[in-house]
Amino acid sequence: SQQGEEDPQALSIQEGENATMNCSYKTSINNLQWYRQNSGRGLVHLILIRSNEREKHSGRLRVTLDTSKKSSSLLITASRAADTASYFCVLYNNNDMRFGAGTRLTVKP
Amino acid sequence: KAGVTQTPRYLIKTRGQQVTLSCSPISGHRSVSWYQQTPGQGLQFLFEYFSETQRNKGNFPGRFSGRQFSNSRSEMNVSTLELGDSALYLCASSLAFNEKLFFGSGTQLSVL
Repeated sequence: SQQGEEDPQALSIQEGENATMNCSYKTSINNLQWYRQNSGRGLVHLILIRSNEREKHSGRLRVTLDTSKKSSSLLITASRAADTASYFCVLYNNNDMRFGAGTRLTVKP
Repeated sequence: KAGVTQTPRYLIKTRGQQVTLSCSPISGHRSVSWYQQTPGQGLQFLFEYFSETQRNKGNFPGRFSGRQFSNSRSEMNVSTLELGDSALYLCASSLAFNEKLFFGSGTQLSVL
């Protein structure tokens, strides 16, 4: 089984700046998903990227996947105070799924 | 569409007791999965049910069990509670195991 490793563990930026979070893994995956969690509540799905895809966009979010380096990154552009949350990558490989440890993002107004 | 509903929202139990948590998925979703979140271990996958059958299972002891009913509603049971079982328990529903998950707000379980 594998665990996603995310870095940084915590990130603090000013409103309007970009935020980049990374997720690395050790074995192959079918797909990788990114989720946001506010204050210990349920997670909200952001983007799903499949193993044969390299980049996906959704609004201010951009996700890349490099299967040769076994890593993914989540970029949030023009951040807002409302983006303050924890962000998790979720790795799927057949019938196995694992969460990354998460990145705690704080966006200061 | 109504979202994923988890009940109760908060629960306090004592060691040795058992607890049952409930999850109602989004209408049309046949996959329901459960997760445990603690400050120390982070988010961990417990199990997934699809059409009343457990299809996938994480690495948890047999004290953690679940079931799914014909209407896709699911329950999770933890027997002989331990202090370390204190956690936020999240339920999610989806069309399939590895597709987009829709999470409930969770049940915060405290074991005293």
